[in-house]
Amino acid sequence: QQPVQSPQAVILREGEDAVINCSSSKALYSVHWYRQKHGEAPVFLMILLKGGEQKGHEKISASFNEKKQQSSLYLTASQLSYSGTYFCGTERANDYKLSFGAGTTVTVRA
Amino acid sequence: DADVTQTPRNRITKTGKRIMLECSQTKGHDRMYWYRQDPGLGLRLIYYSFDVKDINKGEISDGYSVSRQAQAKFSLSLESAIPNQTALYFCATSDFPQIGANVLTFGAGSRLTVL
Repeated sequence: QQPVQSPQAVILREGEDAVINCSSSKALYSVHWYRQKHGEAPVFLMILLKGGEQKGHEKISASFNEKKQQSSLYLTASQLSYSGTYFCGTERANDYKLSFGAGTTVTVRA
Repeated sequence: DADVTQTPRNRITKTGKRIMLECSQTKGHDRMYWYRQDPGLGLRLIYYSFDVKDINKGEISDGYSVSRQAQAKFSLSLESAIPNQTALYFCATSDFPQIGANVLTFGAGSRLTVL
């Protein structure tokens, strides 16, 4: 079952912040975040494991609330290079495969 | 050369034709996956394989079949293509359990159009 992502799209000016949310109705072992630039393949950003700490990649960080089965991706002081579609991927224990959300398209403007 | 190579990159075909999309990897990973991407629907898992003898259906396997010819090769077939199979298809690999997390490396994608 695919996780639910919100919002579907967000438009930012350089330097602004944004939050992307991902939620699942199932108990999760891990949450992954990937970014896809237009016309390219998705690229891994970070993974949050059950019981793990908050992670970061450049000025992009994420958290995982195990009790609520929710993860949030934080884009801080956004740069033009942050534009793209962000996908969360969720994995349940002993499942060994990722289910992806529908994606959030982020547009950062100068 | 890319770690995960997909061929063809683009294909236009007609309804009822048989189509094969191929994926090869040089990463030495055991796990391989086929995903389909449609606008607004994200990535949906079609089939996955944990080794040559292990093939599993994903969320949307109807109308598709796969073959794992070797550790490095994983092919996706559409036996009789239909227009709603028009999509962008991605192959991915993962090196779990070597690093303890199922991180995916994607190929560049194969865009399929069924007329």
